[in-house]
Amino acid sequence: DAMVIQNPRYQVTQFGKPVTLSCSQTLNHNVMYWYQQKSSQAPKLLFHYYDKDFNNEADTPDNFQSRRPNTSFCFLDIRSPGLGDAAMYLCATSRQVGEYEQYFGPGTRLTVT
Amino acid sequence: RKEVEQDPGPFNVPEGATVAFNCTYSNSASQSFFWYRQDCRKEPKLLMSVYSSGNEDGRFTAQLNRASQYISLLIRDSKLSDSATYLCVAGAGGGSYIPTFGRGTSLIVHP
Repeated sequence: DAMVIQNPRYQVTQFGKPVTLSCSQTLNHNVMYWYQQKSSQAPKLLFHYYDKDFNNEADTPDNFQSRRPNTSFCFLDIRSPGLGDAAMYLCATSRQVGEYEQYFGPGTRLTVT
Repeated sequence: RKEVEQDPGPFNVPEGATVAFNCTYSNSASQSFFWYRQDCRKEPKLLMSVYSSGNEDGRFTAQLNRASQYISLLIRDSKLSDSATYLCVAGAGGGSYIPTFGRGTSLIVHP
């Protein structure tokens, strides 16, 4: 089945130790998003790609970087995780710009020790 | 970014009850609206789109009121399995193409 896959599902990292989260999709969607979601809060958009065109939200910390080497894959790099970065990280796709129906991966729950 | 506001709840209702949630949006240029369901510690999943004429899917009915800039979700004959958080989403407009999420309304259906 076509889907959005995230790995790992659970990630534990130490304070300051770089970590990479991955997302892949078999939907062949042009738009990919990375969200951060903390308990009882709305998903907070960090970045999105329209094809290879990278768009960074103004309030996304520099500590967060992203790569999209091809249509199917997208990575979220956290260069120096802090305790405040512990959250669920959600990857989502939509078919085209202007089509707002989103398909989410299962998320990666990040713990920072 | 324009905001989407929801009452976080929780709404605590007995099985079989009818419950309604409202969501207000501030971007008058928004054209598309959605309700997502999110179970505890899981990802959001699309529940239904909200059309100008309203949308009904079984026990679920979504309505849009453009004049007052709110959308609603009505759940009839609530089931225990309806317990979840319901996220309201407004598609962008006015030059932006990023959807905006509300923080969600928590529903607890008890026996």
